[in-house]
Amino acid sequence: SQKIEQNSEALNIQEGKTATLTCNYTNYSPAYLQWYRQDPGRGPVFLLLIRENEKEKRKERLKVTFDTTLKQSLFHITASQPADSATYLCALSSDSSYKLIFGSGTRLLVRP
Amino acid sequence: DAGVIQSPRHEVTEMGQEVTLRCKPISGHDYLFWYRQTMMRGLELLIYFNNNVPIDDSGMPEDRFSAKMPNASFSTLKIQPSEPRDSAVYFCASSTGLAGAETQYFGPGTRLLVL
Repeated sequence: SQKIEQNSEALNIQEGKTATLTCNYTNYSPAYLQWYRQDPGRGPVFLLLIRENEKEKRKERLKVTFDTTLKQSLFHITASQPADSATYLCALSSDSSYKLIFGSGTRLLVRP
Repeated sequence: DAGVIQSPRHEVTEMGQEVTLRCKPISGHDYLFWYRQTMMRGLELLIYFNNNVPIDDSGMPEDRFSAKMPNASFSTLKIQPSEPRDSAVYFCASSTGLAGAETQYFGPGTRLLVL
């Protein structure tokens, strides 16, 4: 069955450093990969989408890579800030489906 | 736009009672999704609608769950009878619907506790 793995342990980093979160998947060939941010008590909020034929996507301090050979996506936040502290979810979908399959998320804590 | 609106935000009920969750999608969005989030299972898709028609309900856990979308601006998710294992946060999301390539906009969720 399809499986998406994100590091269940919280990532704890110092303000100003680069945070790198990992999303690995098996038994799936997604056409799209999305990253969402979720704050406590709130719904997920879309951040970035990357297509299978794109290697990298950037938006301000955010960067996403998508390696279909390794079946992995990396999500980077440069110059991290305490306000970046949240849970980050990756989600996969295929060309023909409107269904998003979500990973369990990784909690990021940025210390001032 | 006010975004996706869900009500109630919190619901506490006793086992066996009927629970109805409500959602108003963003105006102009043709797709509506119902998700359930728990610590154990993460965020799971229950059902989604296109133009008010249910397209895929394969994620609905059992017959106790039902969802309707009587018009483009309103959907309900009903649990009858409710059980303690239904305790979770239920999210509604909407999108304009390019397969996989369109972002989904989530509501604030309904936190359900079944005692």
